[in-house]
Amino acid sequence: AQTVTQSQPEMSVQEAETVTLSCTYDTSENNYYLFWYKQPPSRQMILVIRQEAYKQQNATENRFSVNFQKAAKSFSLKISDSQLGDTAMYFCAFRSYNTDKLIFGTGTRLQVFP
Amino acid sequence: SQTIHQWPATLVQPVGSPLSLECTVEGTSNPNLYWYRQAAGRGLQLLFYSVGIGQISSEVPQNLSASRPQDRQFILSSKKLLLSDSGFYLCAWSVSWASAEKLFFGSGTQLSVL
Repeated sequence: AQTVTQSQPEMSVQEAETVTLSCTYDTSENNYYLFWYKQPPSRQMILVIRQEAYKQQNATENRFSVNFQKAAKSFSLKISDSQLGDTAMYFCAFRSYNTDKLIFGTGTRLQVFP
Repeated sequence: SQTIHQWPATLVQPVGSPLSLECTVEGTSNPNLYWYRQAAGRGLQLLFYSVGIGQISSEVPQNLSASRPQDRQFILSSKKLLLSDSGFYLCAWSVSWASAEKLFFGSGTQLSVL
């Protein structure tokens, strides 16, 4: 069974600085997708970025980028130029190519300080 | 555009009472539908998912059940709530499986069982 591990329950960063959130996963499959979701205090889940496992190039969305290391089964999220609005819970998620299920990690609570 | 509606936003129920949470999707046909639960301080746990009317897959044995009476309607139910059913429940939908399509979440229901 696939598992997703986020080993950092809480992180903090100062505004305008860069922070990296860690995520590792376990799977025996070769084709799959990885996601980072943001859950702000409103508790709405928001897709931040996604990565297809067959793509070697790391995904980037504005200030958000990932470091995808397929052999190491690592999928970290880098937030550049952190903003106060980035304060939220961040979830890493895994989805196998041939299933409908999205498996989440336990989340990392990020606090951005002014 | 597609939208997802989930209600109620908050619910306080006594132990042993029934439960019915409803989720509807607009602007799309034959979506995949999901129910997740987020316990305090924990990640999201997939409870049920459905790829079509009357087709429900249960991920974990529990006191809850799900039904899909219409294409874009997904209902989470319980005949007798337990204290351990307390949590934040999220409904979600996606366009199709075996793709990198996004998972869209509803605004969630905070259920407190007392």
